Amino acid sequence: DTGVSQNPRHKITKRGQNVTFRCDPISEHNRLYWYRQTLGQGPEFLTYFQNEAQLEKSRLLSDRFSAERPKGSFSTLEIQRTEQGDSAMYLCASSGRTDGSPLHFGNGTRLTVT
Amino acid sequence: RKEVEQDPGPFNVPEGATVAFNCTYSNSASQSFFWYRQDCRKEPKLLMSVYSSGNEDGRFTAQLNRASQYISLLIRDSKLSDSATYLCVVGGGYQKVTFGTGTKLQVIP
Repeated sequence: DTGVSQNPRHKITKRGQNVTFRCDPISEHNRLYWYRQTLGQGPEFLTYFQNEAQLEKSRLLSDRFSAERPKGSFSTLEIQRTEQGDSAMYLCASSGRTDGSPLHFGNGTRLTVT
Repeated sequence: RKEVEQDPGPFNVPEGATVAFNCTYSNSASQSFFWYRQDCRKEPKLLMSVYSSGNEDGRFTAQLNRASQYISLLIRDSKLSDSATYLCVVGGGYQKVTFGTGTKLQVIP
């Protein structure tokens, strides 16, 4: 399968714990995006990489959130000191080198903070 | 004003009906436009790109109006399987890609 892969699919954690999610984009895609989605809302932009460079970061991304893409391939999103409000679906997407290429999404990681 | 705005619906339409959704965007410099479909608890999937001249894919027609900063999606001959949330997406290139909140469509037998 050459689609976008996200792990884990589900994560249940206690408030205050740290969690890390991984995203493996489509191999030839150089752009990678993280979004967060809650029920009844559209995906909210969190951050965006072109190769290993993090080009934009939403104000939604507090200092408890950090994302990396160290070698320009897979990416990780870490949430420190999780709060109940962090419960959401975290979606990763990648897109190709051509400007205007559409995003292709992974299945998402569903986070529940108890 | 939100960057991308859509009527959340729901739009309840009978099978065979034609339904249209609009979406407005605030950034006049936006370059790329798409419609995505999202089924309940699933990831968004690309339905179609939206080109300046308008484009059609089977029963689906998308149009872009740059002057008024809106895009539209028309679905003809609605099927039960068209029931989903339709997300308007704006951006691309060196811009962040922004999603609308989605318009929920329910096709009724």
